Amino acid sequence: GAGVSQSPSNKVTEKGKDVELRCDPISGHTALYWYRQRLGQGLEFLIYFQGNSAPDKSGLPSDRFSAERTGESVSTLTIQRTQQEDSAVYLCASSLVGRGTEAFFGQGTRLTVV
Amino acid sequence: EDQVTQSPEALRLQEGESSSLNCSYTVSGLRGLFWYRQDPGKGPEFLFTLYSAGEEKEKERLKATLTKKESFLHITAPKPEDSATYLCAVQAGTGNQFYFGTGTSLTVIP
Repeated sequence: GAGVSQSPSNKVTEKGKDVELRCDPISGHTALYWYRQRLGQGLEFLIYFQGNSAPDKSGLPSDRFSAERTGESVSTLTIQRTQQEDSAVYLCASSLVGRGTEAFFGQGTRLTVV
Repeated sequence: EDQVTQSPEALRLQEGESSSLNCSYTVSGLRGLFWYRQDPGKGPEFLFTLYSAGEEKEKERLKATLTKKESFLHITAPKPEDSATYLCAVQAGTGNQFYFGTGTSLTVIP
């Protein structure tokens, strides 16, 4: 596609429920990133996928967070048993070859846990 | 620990008043320094990539420069539509992630 697409754009969920966020990267981009941006704060790295290599999960804040990517296509970020502190904008980005090349971001999913 | 620091946190300029934003970094083995623009409620929009000291990139009223310890984003004769938060990020060593600064919020007053 023309750019990175994320869905839904907004999600309100009750505390304790599971949520799934979706990211469609730019076609042909082998690398995919997930970041979290809390209100008024900087971007926090969550996870990195590169082709068929094992993902870099070093930024995931707890075992309630997981992500998958099928080949070089769609990725889903799952948050189980959501907590209020999970409220944030979740941003996905893709880049052509990964390390050392610019990444292009989607519009984000705004998650609100009530 | 790798760090990226941006200054100032906020900047208000009159339309046409040129200025510079700073991004200083302490990383080992810089692989790239990236500038992004972020408008409220939107994802970061890519502006520039710089790889080595002395490199410069330009786009319209923006010019990015890089030294061994910092980068500057120069804004010449800004317009109100340049108002946004400008983010700096680095990749370094064998790491995969982008390390982001907290941004400079720019407001250009007509």
